[in-house]
Amino acid sequence: AQKITQTQPGMFVQEKEAVTLDCTYDTSDQSYGLFWYKQPSSGEMIFLIYQGSYDEQNATEGRYSLNFQKARKSANLVISASQLGDSAMYFCAMREGPSGGYQKVTFGIGTKLQVIP
Amino acid sequence: NAGVTQTPKFRILKIGQSMTLQCTQDMNHNYMYWYRQDPGMGLKLIYYSVGAGITDKGEVPNGYNVSRSTTEDFPLRLELAAPSQTSVYFCASSYLRGSTDTQYFGPGTRLTVL
Repeated sequence: AQKITQTQPGMFVQEKEAVTLDCTYDTSDQSYGLFWYKQPSSGEMIFLIYQGSYDEQNATEGRYSLNFQKARKSANLVISASQLGDSAMYFCAMREGPSGGYQKVTFGIGTKLQVIP
Repeated sequence: NAGVTQTPKFRILKIGQSMTLQCTQDMNHNYMYWYRQDPGMGLKLIYYSVGAGITDKGEVPNGYNVSRSTTEDFPLRLELAAPSQTSVYFCASSYLRGSTDTQYFGPGTRLTVL
């Protein structure tokens, strides 16, 4: 089974609209973390947001929020008020293992978001 | 504020050559990681380190070695380069403490093995 599944190869969104990028994960660990990264066409990886498995509140960072549904094992990224600069590849990733211990990191294959003026 | 720096940015190697990819972070982060990203794919973890003197294998460690003698530096060594190692290599660091984590990536090294 895939550890991280991103089912949307490509998404379009109108400028200033909100968009949700889907991510589901599979783990038997109790302690894990979920990440979203942005990779523009220039190639760098930009950390957007993090959600720990024990965090009860959904993580938010500016226009980014992570819709964490633990029972469904989903960690969708919501981008509000899309901007042209949001056009990029978006990767969901999971880190399994507790702080200070063995770490396993798995990335999804990404979703390409294009913002339309 | 330099963050995570990687050198070189580009490199072409011949089959069988060796090289070291340098990675340095100035944020006093405890965790450091090396990833590779093949075209059209997500990243795969090669090696990681939870602190100076402590390293461990990730998903795809074969053909690589690492060391971490200081908190700041985490070089990745390629021995006997092969065409399958053609990829973009990213170094990252994070401050993992309890339930919080932040991750920062270097700009990447684009490696071609011919």
